[in-house]
Amino acid sequence: GGIITQTPKFLIGQEGQKLTLKCQQNFNHDTMYWYRQDSGKGLRLIYYSITENDLQKGDLSEGYDASREKKSSFSLTVTSAQKNEMAVFLCASSPGPGERLFFGHGTKLSVL
Amino acid sequence: SQLAEENPWALSVHEGESVTVNCSYKTSITALQWYRQKSGEGPAQLILIRSNEREKRNGRLRATLDTSSQSSSLSITATRCEDTAVYFCATDAEGGYQNFYFGKGTSLTVIP
Repeated sequence: GGIITQTPKFLIGQEGQKLTLKCQQNFNHDTMYWYRQDSGKGLRLIYYSITENDLQKGDLSEGYDASREKKSSFSLTVTSAQKNEMAVFLCASSPGPGERLFFGHGTKLSVL
Repeated sequence: SQLAEENPWALSVHEGESVTVNCSYKTSITALQWYRQKSGEGPAQLILIRSNEREKRNGRLRATLDTSSQSSSLSITATRCEDTAVYFCATDAEGGYQNFYFGKGTSLTVIP
């Protein structure tokens, strides 16, 4: 089996800050995802990557950058944190198109 | 607008009872997945059912898929306290298999 590790577990930032979230997987999966989960809403796709150095925008990409420099890691940057923003960011990987997603435990973001 | 939607929004049952969560979706799909998310964790896949399948089982779980009505159901028999979680359905979009659309989820509480 494998594991998805997200760091940090909790992230507190200030309005306007650039904040980076990291994700590592040891499944050797090609595809990785970043989803945002707001209370009372479903998961919304921010970015995904089908291979190293590939980036594809999801429905919620505005305000975010992503980086996939290695197959095993996928990072997400909030380019300018919004005041009172609170959400959980979930990283996932998949062995292939249309297959099961394996999720990390999430990074909980709060912006003061 | 939501491409996938679960109902009801929340429900509770007593341990040992059976329960069904429903999902409606709006696009043509190649597959539909059911996920469960426990508090403080990322979602974990329960069942993947492809568009040419009508039913799939996994232990106490049974998923159905009706592509003509664009609906699915997830039934859990002999519920246990550890089944308490939020249940999501997730659909891909035919031809856009890299993106999964999640509903807002159904919160299930199993009462001891």
